Amino acid sequence: GDSVTQMEGPVTLSEEAFLTINCTYTATGYPSLFWYVQYPGEGLQLLLKATKADDKGSNKGFEATYRKETTSFHLEKGSVQVSDSAVYFCALGETSGSRLTFGEGTQLTVNP
Amino acid sequence: DSGVTQTPKHLITATGQRVTLRCSPRSGDLSVYWYQQSLDQGLQFLIQYYNGEERAKGNILERFSAQQFPDLHSELNLSSLELGDSALYFCASSTRDSNYGYTFGSGTRLTVV
Repeated sequence: GDSVTQMEGPVTLSEEAFLTINCTYTATGYPSLFWYVQYPGEGLQLLLKATKADDKGSNKGFEATYRKETTSFHLEKGSVQVSDSAVYFCALGETSGSRLTFGEGTQLTVNP
Repeated sequence: DSGVTQTPKHLITATGQRVTLRCSPRSGDLSVYWYQQSLDQGLQFLIQYYNGEERAKGNILERFSAQQFPDLHSELNLSSLELGDSALYFCASSTRDSNYGYTFGSGTRLTVV
């Protein structure tokens, strides 16, 4: 079945550092890909998405490019802030449209 | 406010009991999804309803059941509760299918003692 693998956390960075969180997937067909963010005590919020190969999703300084050849959707940000501290989830949308399958989540902590 | 409303926010109950979690989807959304988030198993898909009908089933225990009502709100019923059922339960909604993403509620934290 479809699956998502994220880099293991936790990740700790200093403010203004460059962030990469790796995400690879296994799926049949051409799934949509997503990054969600979960702040402490809250539900998941959609951060960005890409619906086809070579699409780049972007939001709030975060970017991810749908790479079909490497089955990847890595999340990047050029300069992280303390307020970016959260758990980040990579997810894929099954081509049947019936569900999203989530990775394990990566805890990011940004220190001032 | 995401537009998806879950009640209650917190629930503490004893083993063997039954509870009902409620979800009101975002206005206009026809699909409702339930997920369980625990520390050791991450986010597990439980079940999806679309316009009142069950659409997909995931790792949902037989002790758990759900339904979606004509006004599109959904309820997740958990019975014969065990300590291991303690988790965050999230509801999410979407317009039609998952391909454009979901909107999540803030969750119900269930503690079984």
